[in-house]
Amino acid sequence: DAGVIQSPRHEVTEMGQEVTLRCKPISGHDYLFWYRQTMMRGLELLIYFNNNVPIDDSGMPEDRFSAKMPNASFSTLKIQPSEPRDSAVYFCASSPYLNQPQHFGDGTRLSIL
Amino acid sequence: AQKITQTQPGMFVQEKEAVTLDCTYDTSDPSYGLFWYKQPSSGEMIFLIYQGSYDQQNATEGRYSLNFQKARKSANLVISASQLGDSATYFCAMRENTGTASKLTFGTGTRLQVTL
Repeated sequence: DAGVIQSPRHEVTEMGQEVTLRCKPISGHDYLFWYRQTMMRGLELLIYFNNNVPIDDSGMPEDRFSAKMPNASFSTLKIQPSEPRDSAVYFCASSPYLNQPQHFGDGTRLSIL
Repeated sequence: AQKITQTQPGMFVQEKEAVTLDCTYDTSDPSYGLFWYKQPSSGEMIFLIYQGSYDQQNATEGRYSLNFQKARKSANLVISASQLGDSATYFCAMRENTGTASKLTFGTGTRLQVTL
């Protein structure tokens, strides 16, 4: 079975550029989560969706960050404009129900120069 | 206050020995879930084991077991018969319900090194 698929695996770009991270959840999973992992702050939940609707975006750092889920099989996390402090590994995860384990993608390693 | 506390930043264990990774949590929610994830050096996050707050028995999954002590608010992971491939960082996480939302909060992780 295909797991959570994220793209790209690595992204290096200059500050000020727009960055778009993509995620395809596991088919049939109604919940989708975006996390950010840094050495300083560990793993942080940014936002999560239920049936394509954003439920909690309190973890989104600021207005430069936005996330969408236009359909059940696709989500994007966009940073515009990007800054060096956005450099991190961004994970997407999905689960069938809220109290079920979340299955993570391999992450996108983002470097903003 | 920290929601999830992992007090061991790093640990060593000899191959074939058992090891316990500590996790304590803080919540006033009567319904919550506790998870353990493994993150090898390659970076992916791998789900290991889950314990619900109302589960009567400790969860087990192969060589992994969760020592759940509800009164003490601890959910320690026990790995039996350690293997070299168990070398990784292990994260404890808690899901609690806050109104209509639900959050998964992670600890800071324990880096485990299995030696020969």
